[in-house]
Amino acid sequence: NAGVTQTPKFRILKIGQSMTLQCTQDMNHNYMYWYRQDPGMGLKLIYYSVGAGITDKGEVPNGYNVSRSTTEDFPLRLELAAPSQTSVYFCASSYGGVDIYEQYFGPGTRLTVT
Amino acid sequence: DAKTTQPPSMDCAEGRAANLPCNHSTISGNEYVYWYRQIHSQGPQYIIHGLKNNETNEMASLIITEDRKSSTLILPHATLRDTAVYYCILKNEKLTFGTGTRLTIIP
Repeated sequence: NAGVTQTPKFRILKIGQSMTLQCTQDMNHNYMYWYRQDPGMGLKLIYYSVGAGITDKGEVPNGYNVSRSTTEDFPLRLELAAPSQTSVYFCASSYGGVDIYEQYFGPGTRLTVT
Repeated sequence: DAKTTQPPSMDCAEGRAANLPCNHSTISGNEYVYWYRQIHSQGPQYIIHGLKNNETNEMASLIITEDRKSSTLILPHATLRDTAVYYCILKNEKLTFGTGTRLTIIP
């Protein structure tokens, strides 16, 4: 199993540009998550999905969109990038969202908006 | 979600047991205590979790007080590769990460 994979690893965007961060998992997990981590801070949940076709907002959803058309893929879309979106983005997945299932994280995408 | 309090940093000598404390005095009855760690900007890695009883796996032990208001993660024989930020998290569906404890293992 490759686990959770994310592309790209690094990206520099200009203000106002758009991009999609890709996330794929091969563990047949139902739940998938997107987090962002600013320097020196913990992770904050952006969006999550409990299964194909179902998504919900997390703590910091503004400026982002997601879709979940398949179990494996959970792309994160940035529209009109802003400097405040400079961060490291982590995708994660878990078998379930209830108490007993741990989350598996991808290696992250480092995004800079200038 | 209830919040957790952890010391911002700790040092531990290589080969010794590292004991990382976490206070969660407002934990609710159905919230599990989870521990994750993050090694130098990598994605967080699951370590262990528990509800009421003490737990042990190949990585660590988790000691939860009887009133569930605090817990301790124990790395029994710390190595240099255990240098990381350790997060104590209460979870009833979603994980909420704080700023964790930066553990440095000293040779």
